[in-house]
Amino acid sequence: DQQVKQNSPSLSVQEGRISILNCDYTNSMFDYFLWYKKYPAEGPTFLISISSIKDKNEDGRFTVFLNKSAKHLSLHIVPSQPGDSAVYFCAASARGNTGKLIFGQGTTLQVKP
Amino acid sequence: GAVVSQHPSWVICKSGTSVKIECRSLDFQATTMFWYRQFPKQSLMLMATSNEGSKATYEQGVEKDKFLINHASLTLSTLTVTSAHPEDSSFYICSARPGTGELFFGEGSRLTVL
Repeated sequence: DQQVKQNSPSLSVQEGRISILNCDYTNSMFDYFLWYKKYPAEGPTFLISISSIKDKNEDGRFTVFLNKSAKHLSLHIVPSQPGDSAVYFCAASARGNTGKLIFGQGTTLQVKP
Repeated sequence: GAVVSQHPSWVICKSGTSVKIECRSLDFQATTMFWYRQFPKQSLMLMATSNEGSKATYEQGVEKDKFLINHASLTLSTLTVTSAHPEDSSFYICSARPGTGELFFGEGSRLTVL
């Protein structure tokens, strides 16, 4: 049972354009969501997070949007840069259990110069 | 930011041997650490929660006798893959957090069992 789903395994975007990565979840107990970036053979690095009490969080070029009614979140990267090319994982945690993350399958983003 | 370090980063072993992977929080104390496994092109899957001074909590389907976890101090958790087999070949990642803040991940350890 995949509680966190990233249905697009890959995404290719031109440098300077917007990258939109999507994530859906099924567990209504999730109340904290995170995005991680991962390079091959390395551990994931934290990008941005959002609590379920918000619908938007912005940090520089990265913005995460949360639609609780649709159980959907998205990560927007604008403008996209070649260095953003990596695998992006969304993750979720349930109330009171913020250390235990459930990850999506990941989306490989390629930003072309 | 906080640093979580894993060792070794890459290990190759023969089938039937045991392999130990260390996870250290370098500049903070962590009463809880988490161990994940990632197969190629798949998601990170939580294997177990390591608790300092007590038994680890394993996720459903993870064999606790196969994956021994020891959290002997506030800065060190170890994962031992016992009697490793080729199907155990994977990327193992630990994570920890200082207090209630952000969760930090180690660099990961790639295990290849021949």
